[in-house]
Amino acid sequence: SQQGEEDPQALSIQEGENATMNCSYKTSINNLQWYRQNSGRGLVHLILIRSNEREKHSGRLRVTLDTSKKSSSLLITASRAADTASYFCATVRMDSSYKLIFGSGTRLLVRP
Amino acid sequence: NAGVMQNPRHLVRRRGQEARLRCSPMKGHSHVYWYRQLPEEGLKFMVYLQKENIIDESGMPKERFSAEFPKEGPSILRIQQVVRGDSAAYFCASSPPGSPSTDTQYFGPGTRLTVL
Repeated sequence: SQQGEEDPQALSIQEGENATMNCSYKTSINNLQWYRQNSGRGLVHLILIRSNEREKHSGRLRVTLDTSKKSSSLLITASRAADTASYFCATVRMDSSYKLIFGSGTRLLVRP
Repeated sequence: NAGVMQNPRHLVRRRGQEARLRCSPMKGHSHVYWYRQLPEEGLKFMVYLQKENIIDESGMPKERFSAEFPKEGPSILRIQQVVRGDSAAYFCASSPPGSPSTDTQYFGPGTRLTVL
């Protein structure tokens, strides 16, 4: 079954605004990770949150995890044009230990 | 410390030819993973290798695809007799020794394969 479905599929905001992306998944997980991908480039790891954690911060990024709802959110505060990219959540299932299962991503456009 | 290296970055093949994609993991990393990304989609797991061992190839197509991670040298993803549907970006990731589930996977820049 597909894990890590993000919404919205596309998001357009003005520079300085906050961007929130959501991710839902279906099975129990070991951890959930968020990645950024600039157009035509590789993936950059942003943050990892484990199943026993509820919130993590890294700079302008805030990630929450609600295992009861099987959902996570990524908040980017005070967005910049350079944040324009696709953002993917990826889960590691409890029965897998290493296999990252990606959603189809949220395409974020930050307008200058 | 150099990151994960992949080459070539772009590869064009005609139908029926072979494609060889190479991946050098980060220094000190012994776990290698290959993923495929079709346009406008997320990455899909293909195979997980450690040195000289295929640990999990459940995401690999049954035919034409093979992967190896020899004792010396890079990991190779080999696609024989390519078809147009093989056109995609192929990403390699690596992680350090130890329990892979606790470790971040570091991705390379990818190889974009185009089959004409």
